Amino acid sequence: SQQGEEDPQALSIQEGENATMNCSYKTSINNLQWYRQNSGRGLVHLILIRSNEREKHSGRLRVTLDTSKKSSSLLITASRAADTASYFCATGYSGSARQLTFGSGTQLTVLP
Amino acid sequence: SQTIHQWPATLVQPVGSPLSLECTVEGTSNPNLYWYRQAAGRGLQLLFYSVGIGQISSEVPQNLSASRPQDRQFILSSKKLLLSDSGFYLCAWSGGGRGGNTIYFGEGSWLTVV
Repeated sequence: SQQGEEDPQALSIQEGENATMNCSYKTSINNLQWYRQNSGRGLVHLILIRSNEREKHSGRLRVTLDTSKKSSSLLITASRAADTASYFCATGYSGSARQLTFGSGTQLTVLP
Repeated sequence: SQTIHQWPATLVQPVGSPLSLECTVEGTSNPNLYWYRQAAGRGLQLLFYSVGIGQISSEVPQNLSASRPQDRQFILSSKKLLLSDSGFYLCAWSGGGRGGNTIYFGEGSWLTVV
């Protein structure tokens, strides 16, 4: 399967701490994207990193990509209770009309 | 700007009844369109995708079907619902082409089959 796998499945931290989520995949990719899903809502795109990039920042988000290890990490700094959500990585493959393959997600809980 | 609308938001249907979920996209043309299903607390399962009017690709064989009667309209249907069809259904769109475009999701439809 080309599906990405997130680790951990669930993460609980205190407000103000950093949260790190990891994603591993199996075959070469065009890009890797991270999405957020609040409970009972649709997914929202957070950030995209291309296969030739190693690190990308967006506000409190930092994404790294290691294509040699076929892995990515999402770091949320100075977490807030409002960051509580599920986070999914999604991998994009060359020539795929399906566009993206989603992992099973990490449920992040930020305690106030 | 582009928007995606999906309805109904919530649906409770008896086993054996038909289903129709509808999705429309505004502000873009020739989008790729997708239907996903998400079981409670689980990841996304791609059900169907479409790269153009009348072009539907099925990812998972089941009693669901999809149709794209217009460029920006995508419909998910079933003639007879099963209990196992319960779940959260998400419509989505992306730009045309292949290879990892960003996907934009609707707000989802909760289906409970009783």
